[in-house]
Amino acid sequence: GQNIDQPTEMTATEGAIVQINCTYQTSGFNGLFWYQQHAGEAPTFLSYNVLDGLEEKGRFSSFLSRSKGYSYLLLKELQMKDSASYLCAPSGGYNKLIFGAGTRLAVHP
Amino acid sequence: GAVVSQHPSWVICKSGTSVKIECRSLDFQATTMFWYRQFPKQSLMLMATSNEGSKATYEQGVEKDKFLINHASLTLSTLTVTSAHPEDSSFYICSAPGASGSTDTQYFGPGTRLTVL
Repeated sequence: GQNIDQPTEMTATEGAIVQINCTYQTSGFNGLFWYQQHAGEAPTFLSYNVLDGLEEKGRFSSFLSRSKGYSYLLLKELQMKDSASYLCAPSGGYNKLIFGAGTRLAVHP
Repeated sequence: GAVVSQHPSWVICKSGTSVKIECRSLDFQATTMFWYRQFPKQSLMLMATSNEGSKATYEQGVEKDKFLINHASLTLSTLTVTSAHPEDSSFYICSAPGASGSTDTQYFGPGTRLTVL
């Protein structure tokens, strides 16, 4: 079966760092996506991890441990516009994405 | 970059009517497209995989006769919500892999907001 677990809500202060964790159990695994979604909009791509380790891309970094079924998204120098939902999505066979419930991040001044 | 469009962006219909939503890949071919549904403050739920030239593959719990999917060409998939009811009101989003066999790119359409009165 499929199981994806991430915190429901998080709050942080502008300029701070926040880490959003995701654990997953899926049948078939190619890699793991992180998406950002603002209310009423489609998701936008943030990162895709295939290999274990940390991948840094500007203010956003993503980590994957395949053996532990664990990933995290690290957001640095938080800005107000980073307030959004962050979706963890393991990719199984046939390019199919299964999304977690998402983490709603609220950034405060 | 690759673009996926959806039409209409929003639709309001009466209960009992059918609504068709189109998903198009604008500058690439997509033999597979995915349809998602999202209720307010919830995540995207995969409904079905649309396959060009063959039947769609539906996720468990999704009614095939209720949500008709037709992948008419390499650039177009349609989702028809038949006999829509207020509980079908939701945000419907499609996506397509960016290149044949590629697992590292998924392009999402902008979504269609359906409201059933």
